[in-house]
Amino acid sequence: DAGITQSPRHKVTETGTPVTLRCHQTENHRYMYWYRQDPGHGLRLIHYSYGVKDTDKGEVSDGYSVSRSKTEDFLLTLESATSSQTSVYFCAISAGKYSNQPQHFGDGTRLSIL
Amino acid sequence: GQQLNQSPQSMFIQEGEDVSMNCTSSSIFNTWLWYKQDPGEGPVLLIALYKAGELTSNGRLTAQFGITRKDSFLNISASIPSDVGIYFCANAGGTSYGKLTFGQGTILTVHP
Repeated sequence: DAGITQSPRHKVTETGTPVTLRCHQTENHRYMYWYRQDPGHGLRLIHYSYGVKDTDKGEVSDGYSVSRSKTEDFLLTLESATSSQTSVYFCAISAGKYSNQPQHFGDGTRLSIL
Repeated sequence: GQQLNQSPQSMFIQEGEDVSMNCTSSSIFNTWLWYKQDPGEGPVLLIALYKAGELTSNGRLTAQFGITRKDSFLNISASIPSDVGIYFCANAGGTSYGKLTFGQGTILTVHP
């Protein structure tokens, strides 16, 4: 187990409401990532962080924001949730940015927006 | 952006059969990764490949880094029911910060 906890594990909410997902790690890894998983698309990168207060956009960042005020926590926020953001969200961590330091994933948050 | 084309999309096999799946891209990569995802869980790294032509095994799993550096293959020998899941190829493409691009996944079903 890579020491990654995602919360909540499941959430149902309504269109237009704000939603925040949390990723907590106990590995003290520098790099953290948020992905979403949809049928037929694999996993797609939303945002990532390369240190405290250092974040950047991924492939599908529109409608999402992130924050990282501590090494161990990486928050993903949907400011005004839409039905197209219904998905399974995964957090990943990595000790380094190089490909020989592979990412380890949490167990995901299943988010449904009605 | 870069895309990885993974095939087949799904496979239905009998226990004991061998399985092959592959991943291709129009871009050249320095690394290929293979992940497996069990239902309700996050992906878990199976095999990492770092050199063109490299052949690496992990138990019944064998993966190869294509010599053109644009493709990779994963083989599972003598499949068992616990092999069921989704298999993903992925790579970072030499980009900074380790950002991964994933294939669409191969859904494997094994009938006892």
